[in-house]
Amino acid sequence: GAVVSQHPSWVICKSGTSVKIECRSLDFQATTMFWYRQFPKQSLMLMATSNEGSKATYEQGVEKDKFLINHASLTLSTLTVTSAHPEDSSFYICSAGLAGALGTQYFGPGTRLLVL
Amino acid sequence: KQEVTQIPAALSVPEGENLVLNCSFTDSAIYNLQWFRQDPGKGLTSLLLIQSSQREQTSGRLNASLDKSSGRSTLYIAASQPGDSATYLCAVGDRGSTLGRLYFGRGTQLTVWP
Repeated sequence: GAVVSQHPSWVICKSGTSVKIECRSLDFQATTMFWYRQFPKQSLMLMATSNEGSKATYEQGVEKDKFLINHASLTLSTLTVTSAHPEDSSFYICSAGLAGALGTQYFGPGTRLLVL
Repeated sequence: KQEVTQIPAALSVPEGENLVLNCSFTDSAIYNLQWFRQDPGKGLTSLLLIQSSQREQTSGRLNASLDKSSGRSTLYIAASQPGDSATYLCAVGDRGSTLGRLYFGRGTQLTVWP
């Protein structure tokens, strides 16, 4: 089956630093990748949608200059949280859309970010 | 904007019971509906995917139904087991928006005790 990995699985950083999270589709080419954020006991909220080779589309209220998304290839997307603050502490999950299978997304295992 | 609601927010039952989890959505123009399982601190595992033209899907002890016109879906879990304990998320694929965009409910946290 389609597998999506994320790295790192958890990260602790100091306030003001930047953190990069990678999302990879291991055995398929993903035309579209999605980044979600989940706060404790809350649902997944879509942050942005990225297509390979083009700029990401951000959801309303998500700062594109703070959450930098790069989708350099059909198997890799990265999310960089710039100048992280404690309120950015959350669980970040990516998913990859399988080309030709509209509506099907495969989710990564998530990255737990804690900003001190 | 699509809004997805799940009831109940939490459920605690003894092993062996048959369960019904509910999901409702505000806009019936959906592409599909999915049920996911999420274990604490983990990612999502897809359980069932129902296309908008379908009425139900079954996998083992799980059965999901979809009534698009009324904006409702139910996930039926037969003969629950402690290993079923997790949070169950309902997600709607929106036909009218970005390709593949999903709207999630807050989930039902299920605890099955021996």
